[in-house]
Amino acid sequence: ETGVTQSPTHLIKTRGQQVTLRCSSQSGHNTVSWYQQALGQGPQFIFQYYREEENGRGNFPPRFSGLQFPNYSSELNVNALELDDSALYLCASSGGQGYYGYTFGSGTRLTVV
Amino acid sequence: DQQVKQNSPSLSVQEGRISILNCDYTNSMFDYFLWYKKYPAEGPTFLISISSIKDKNEDGRFTVFLNKSAKHLSLHIVPSQPGDSAVYFCARKTQGGSEKLVFGKGMKLTVNP
Repeated sequence: ETGVTQSPTHLIKTRGQQVTLRCSSQSGHNTVSWYQQALGQGPQFIFQYYREEENGRGNFPPRFSGLQFPNYSSELNVNALELDDSALYLCASSGGQGYYGYTFGSGTRLTVV
Repeated sequence: DQQVKQNSPSLSVQEGRISILNCDYTNSMFDYFLWYKKYPAEGPTFLISISSIKDKNEDGRFTVFLNKSAKHLSLHIVPSQPGDSAVYFCARKTQGGSEKLVFGKGMKLTVNP
């Protein structure tokens, strides 16, 4: 059983640029959620995708967008990067509604300079 | 607002002793509370959960207690081992809509040999 893999592991971008982060779900999981973890904070929910449709969104602006593909892999896109976007971005997959165990990837550390 | 609070940022205990990690919440509606453990450069790993219909759940060295009247839960680790040294997050799974996790800020546990 494969776990959740994220790429890249580290990334440095300049303010105003755009970034795409990628996530491969654990085998058999059809739901993907993205979280942002700022330094010293717990992860914060960005949004969730279920069967390629957005299925809930946290308090993040529209410049944070996502996609889920037929193989349940996912992308997180952030436009017009700001310094405060510097954080660890975590992807979590789960088995759909009613399954409470989420499998997290190791994350992508994004630094905006 | 479904707040989850971990008020102590760190805890240090001796190997073999009990570690008690605390978490408070401010809303009575929930399905599950979950505890995650996170090592540096890794994603959070699911540890143990408790549902709203239980007061206690045990899994090996890990026990979670839920006090609904006090809106408080705690994770007990007995006996503590050096490998338990990590950041521990308390999280609640929200009801309705997308099943997202709301995390506390985390507590760093250090188990000294």
